[in-house]
Amino acid sequence: GAGVSQSPSNKVTEKGKDVELRCDPISGHTALYWYRQSLGQGLEFLIYFQGNSAPDKSGLPSDRFSAERTGGSVSTLTIQRTQQEDSAVYLCASSSSGLLATGELFFGEGSRLTVL
Amino acid sequence: EDQVTQSPEALRLQEGESSSLNCSYTVSGLRGLFWYRQDPGKGPEFLFTLYSAGEEKEKERLKATLTKKESFLHITAPKPEDSATYLCAVLGISGNTGKLIFGQGTTLQVKP
Repeated sequence: GAGVSQSPSNKVTEKGKDVELRCDPISGHTALYWYRQSLGQGLEFLIYFQGNSAPDKSGLPSDRFSAERTGGSVSTLTIQRTQQEDSAVYLCASSSSGLLATGELFFGEGSRLTVL
Repeated sequence: EDQVTQSPEALRLQEGESSSLNCSYTVSGLRGLFWYRQDPGKGPEFLFTLYSAGEEKEKERLKATLTKKESFLHITAPKPEDSATYLCAVLGISGNTGKLIFGQGTTLQVKP
């Protein structure tokens, strides 16, 4: 496909379980971003990968959250020991250049996580 | 701390009734202000980037303007298909170059 692909689209899990969310960015895009959108709140930055540089993890809310990007392409966001407050839509985006160039991020449709 | 506030939270218009959405921001140094559109169940879709006060961008029925404290998204003669949530975001100098600060959005409903 031509767009950013995220899976699963929906995930229901029990409190305390680990979850993995996957993002397949647009081919050739060097920058990859994870944001989350909670009900009634704006999009919240989580982590940013740019090329081979060390990722900016400053938005990860706790050490239960981690992300990796393999081969400069696919990324996985892992949440360990999920809590109910982790329930949100997790959005992945990619761009061909940094935000300073155009500001255009291409978002996927998101992975909706529900923690019971 | 960088902050973005959008108003109103919700707006109902009749088809053809023009209006404006507001985005007020506080940022240590503005690198860029961005407008996105989000349809239900979808990810945000890029509309505009504005870099400096006085700048304007247009796309179809939408026009974005920027001052040193706020941005407006003007919608001229809207159609039902313009119904969506409009998100404003800023990129400041204090954060990394990947961290957008988003407002909570304005949900626009255009009735035929």
